[in-house]
Amino acid sequence: QVKLVESGGGVVQPGRSLRLSCTASGFTFSNYGIHWVRQAPGKGLEWVALIWYDGTNEHYADSAKGRFTVSRDNSKNTVYLQLSSLRAEDTAIYYCARWGITSGGLYYALDAWGQGTTVAVSS
Amino acid sequence: ETVMTQSPATLSASPGQRATLSCRASQSVNTNLAWYQQKPGQAPRLLIYGASTRATGIPVRFTGSGSGTAFTLTISGLQSEDFAVYYCQQYNDWPPWTFGQGTKVEIK
Repeated sequence: QVKLVESGGGVVQPGRSLRLSCTASGFTFSNYGIHWVRQAPGKGLEWVALIWYDGTNEHYADSAKGRFTVSRDNSKNTVYLQLSSLRAEDTAIYYCARWGITSGGLYYALDAWGQGTTVAVSS
Repeated sequence: ETVMTQSPATLSASPGQRATLSCRASQSVNTNLAWYQQKPGQAPRLLIYGASTRATGIPVRFTGSGSGTAFTLTISGLQSEDFAVYYCQQYNDWPPWTFGQGTKVEIK
């Protein structure tokens, strides 16, 4: 079955860096774009970043531009999210999610999600 | 950026009742609209895409409708496992992909 597993979260001081990983199984990973979505404590969902299936294109939320970098290694079925210059407001659960594709090849919703990894930015 | 607005913030209903959740977009998103369910301590789960197509394994009591800027998620005959937070999300105009702020369906 389709599975996404995030790892790499933890407690980090403001200004420091952290790298999150999202490892996939149960589908042809190299055919799918992967999103990162975060959720601050008690808040809603915020889209963070997307990397295309082949890694040739990336998109970022304004809150992530210049500080976060998404990358992937299709040989390892893994996407990474490098978090830099972390701030207290980056404290959240970070989810990776698969960008669904219809049978006609159209991208649509986020059709599979990992269980999330928690990042806490605190001094 | 397309802003998504959900109402109400909280909906109180009894098991067996019908729940109607609304989502509005600040500009047309055609039918490029998804609904997700999130239970406490769990990841979101895709319920509806294309405004009205149920995702794999989603019960028929979940119905999505609408197009353009106004959308509705109807849960017919609420069951105990349906009490959760529901988010709408547009994927018509990206980046960014934008979510509504969520509607919490709670037991009355």
